[in-house]
Amino acid sequence: SQQGEEDPQALSIQEGENATMNCSYKTSINNLQWYRQNSGRGLVHLILIRSNEREKHSGRLRVTLDTSKKSSSLLITASRAADTASYFCATEYYTGANSKLTFGKGITLSVRP
Amino acid sequence: NAGVTQTPKFRVLKTGQSMTLLCAQDMNHEYMYWYRQDPGMGLRLIHYSVGEGTTAKGEVPDGYNVSRLKKQNFLLGLESAAPSQTSVYFCASSILAGLAKNIQYFGAGTRLSVL
Repeated sequence: SQQGEEDPQALSIQEGENATMNCSYKTSINNLQWYRQNSGRGLVHLILIRSNEREKHSGRLRVTLDTSKKSSSLLITASRAADTASYFCATEYYTGANSKLTFGKGITLSVRP
Repeated sequence: NAGVTQTPKFRVLKTGQSMTLLCAQDMNHEYMYWYRQDPGMGLRLIHYSVGEGTTAKGEVPDGYNVSRLKKQNFLLGLESAAPSQTSVYFCASSILAGLAKNIQYFGAGTRLSVL
């Protein structure tokens, strides 16, 4: 299966600490994305990293991709209570003219005030 | 700035009843998707559409049908609901431009219970 697997399944940290979440996958990909889902809401795209990129930043987010290890990590620096949510990695690979996006099962992040 | 709108937000059905979930997007996206989300299972793709008038099966299509008569709308139908279809259903859309950056925009979800 192409599905990414996130690790850990749940993470609880204190406000101000950094949160690191990992994603592993099994076969070659073209892009990898991270999404956030607040309780009772839909998923929101956070960041995309291409297979030829190693690191990408967006505000307090830092994503790395190691294609040799088939893994990615999402770092949220200086976490806030508002970062409490579920985070999903999604692997993307091209299928002819189309693209297939497959989501992992998600990581539940709790940030304690 | 509506984005992707799903109706209804909640629904309770009895086994064997039918219903249609509506998804509407105002971003002129070509691609639309229906997922279901179950505890511990992540998101699983039910059906998708790459353009008006076209649909295709995803990972878990059994028991569902879809239609894309207009570019902005994507309907998900349950002909004879079963308790196993109790789930949260999400619609998403994407423009899929350039090097297939399939960034998807999601609706808020429909919570369906089948008794």
